[in-house]
Amino acid sequence: QVTLKESGPVLVKPTETLTLTCSVSGFSLTNPRMGVSWIRQPPGKALEWLGYIFSTDEKAYATSLTTRLTISMDTSSSQVVLTMTNMDPVDTATYYCARHLRAVAGPSRYSWFDPWGQGTRVTVSS
Amino acid sequence: EIQMTQSPSSLSAAVGDTVAITCRASQSISRYLNWYQQRPGKAPTLLLYDAHTLQGGVPSRFSGSGSGTDFTLTISNLQPEDFGTYYCQQTYASAFLTFGGGTHVEIK
Repeated sequence: QVTLKESGPVLVKPTETLTLTCSVSGFSLTNPRMGVSWIRQPPGKALEWLGYIFSTDEKAYATSLTTRLTISMDTSSSQVVLTMTNMDPVDTATYYCARHLRAVAGPSRYSWFDPWGQGTRVTVSS
Repeated sequence: EIQMTQSPSSLSAAVGDTVAITCRASQSISRYLNWYQQRPGKAPTLLLYDAHTLQGGVPSRFSGSGSGTDFTLTISNLQPEDFGTYYCQQTYASAFLTFGGGTHVEIK
């Protein structure tokens, strides 16, 4: 059974750095067809893709967050870490990680997210 | 960035009805389009990928169609467990993925 679980602080202060960990099981992060994407959802709003990582050292970040976001992977511990600097109240959201599947072992337009973690709610407030 | 626009933003339908949700891309994305369902308070789940391929375990009353810029998610014989919000996602721009704004489905 494939599972992903997010963990990290519930509350961060403005200007602080957020670090979230996605712990995966049931699949290998070394599989070049399987990576992890991070997605967030502000309260009552739509989903927003943040970025992804594959073990082939492929990474991509949402255009609006490239200067603040870093995603890293530790295959030995089956964890993916999201780091977001200079947090602001507008970053208050539920943060999800999801297994990012693609049709081939390399960059591909055929990709999808399945399954997702349960999500972790992060509030940015002083 | 490819913009994805869903319509309607919300709808109300009765059990047994057929509903259609549309998703329009700001440029052609071929069939690189996925659909997700999100029940209240839960994480999204994958319904269809490649615009029309049903994910395993998803009921056959869900179907997808379209290519290029216009796509449709159809739910036939609507069931009470189908309430929630539906999102489309483009993967044509494989390093700049985007979601639609969501369509909230309410059961009458």
